[in-house]
Amino acid sequence: DTAVSQTPKYLVTQMGNDKSIKCEQNLGHDTMYWYKQDSKKFLKIMFSYNNKELIINETVPNRFSPKSPDKAHLNLHINSLELGDSAVYFCASSQDRGGLRLETQYFGPGTRLLVL
Amino acid sequence: AQSVTQLDSQVPVFEEAPVELRCNYSSSVSVYLFWYVQYPNQGLQLLLKYLSGSTLVKGINGFEAEFNKSQTSFHLRKPSVHISDTAEYFCAVSNQAGTALIFGKGTTLSVSS
Repeated sequence: DTAVSQTPKYLVTQMGNDKSIKCEQNLGHDTMYWYKQDSKKFLKIMFSYNNKELIINETVPNRFSPKSPDKAHLNLHINSLELGDSAVYFCASSQDRGGLRLETQYFGPGTRLLVL
Repeated sequence: AQSVTQLDSQVPVFEEAPVELRCNYSSSVSVYLFWYVQYPNQGLQLLLKYLSGSTLVKGINGFEAEFNKSQTSFHLRKPSVHISDTAEYFCAVSNQAGTALIFGKGTTLSVSS
């Protein structure tokens, strides 16, 4: 019973391609996130959705577009992949309580993206 | 703006020794602080969190942390580590709006026998 799942786990692709990473949570949470972890293991928030509404959109290139078809899913589509996009992408979710999303965030296992 | 500094990038220790992983934060508002652990090739898992109340917070796997407002620190401690504690440890602070986490750069804890 995986709480937060991501597919695929590994993704190897050529520069210029378009790819998507899917995330699903079965915890009934209201808020979902995408984080990027670089080669030095630095972890940074990219996007946050609450009940399918975009809450956080950090300084991420327009080539990255999150899509939330419903509360349990938050997918990440990346256009025109670049070498610098190589990283581990983590999806996470948390329960929203009155606008404060300070509750525990549950992370998926990560998607390791390698752009050649 | 909020920020987190983890003072040690790598901490090697022997099994059954005590360990302290240091974390300092910077914030102009009340903070909420977290420690997450990442085992090799896995996602992050919450160890413990400080939202309010007692400054000594106990977490899973025998870890604890102490919130020190005057020193703006939230150091993580364990009195006796195991080989299985080998992992990457991340300190995090909530952003000003309370809508996301800002992570430190992580500390690699390596426990050897």
